[in-house]
Amino acid sequence: EAGVAQSPRYKIIEKRQSVAFWCNPISGHATLYWYQQILGQGPKLLIQFQNNGVVDDSQLPKDRFSAERLKGVDSTLKIQPAKLEDSAVYLCASSLGSRALGSYEQYFGPGTRLTVT
Amino acid sequence: AQSVSQHNHHVILSEAASLELGCNYSYGGTVNLFWYVQYPGQHLQLLLKYFSGDPLVKGIKGFEAEFIKSKFSFNLRKPSVQWSDTAEYFCASQETYKYIFGTGTRLKVLA
Repeated sequence: EAGVAQSPRYKIIEKRQSVAFWCNPISGHATLYWYQQILGQGPKLLIQFQNNGVVDDSQLPKDRFSAERLKGVDSTLKIQPAKLEDSAVYLCASSLGSRALGSYEQYFGPGTRLTVT
Repeated sequence: AQSVSQHNHHVILSEAASLELGCNYSYGGTVNLFWYVQYPGQHLQLLLKYFSGDPLVKGIKGFEAEFIKSKFSFNLRKPSVQWSDTAEYFCASQETYKYIFGTGTRLKVLA
């Protein structure tokens, strides 16, 4: 079974520039998550999709961050414009997300390490 | 608000020592609990999970965790650690659809 794919793996940009991250979840997984993990902290949920609908984006800084999941499969996360404090690892995860199956185990991708200078 | 606390931020043990990492969650209703592990250079992966039933759950690589509802705790244990257990460990809770991670515990096992 192929895992969660993310690209790029590393990105260095200057502040005020824009950047986009891409995620391809495990086939058949309805739920997709984007997390921000700052060094020394646990992953913080930015946005959660169920198929192509947003379930939770309460912690997404909507003035600069946006995300979409077209056709309920791949997803992109964009930052525009970037700030120094956006330097972090951006993780994508997916899960079956089905109450009937009772499984909310998340499968994580390798992450994208963003450095904003 | 839902939260997860991990009290040990850094732990250093010698091989064969016993391990217990603390995790407390705040939500008082039905909650699913998880421990995830991130080995150096690898991505986060599930160690074990609790949904219901037997409060003592066993995971991969000899790890286990005990759910104690009265204490809102889900501590991770391993009777004898190995050098290969060096990693960062995250406790997480899920209430309905909302997933919250703790800040993590960095474990270093000395050979």
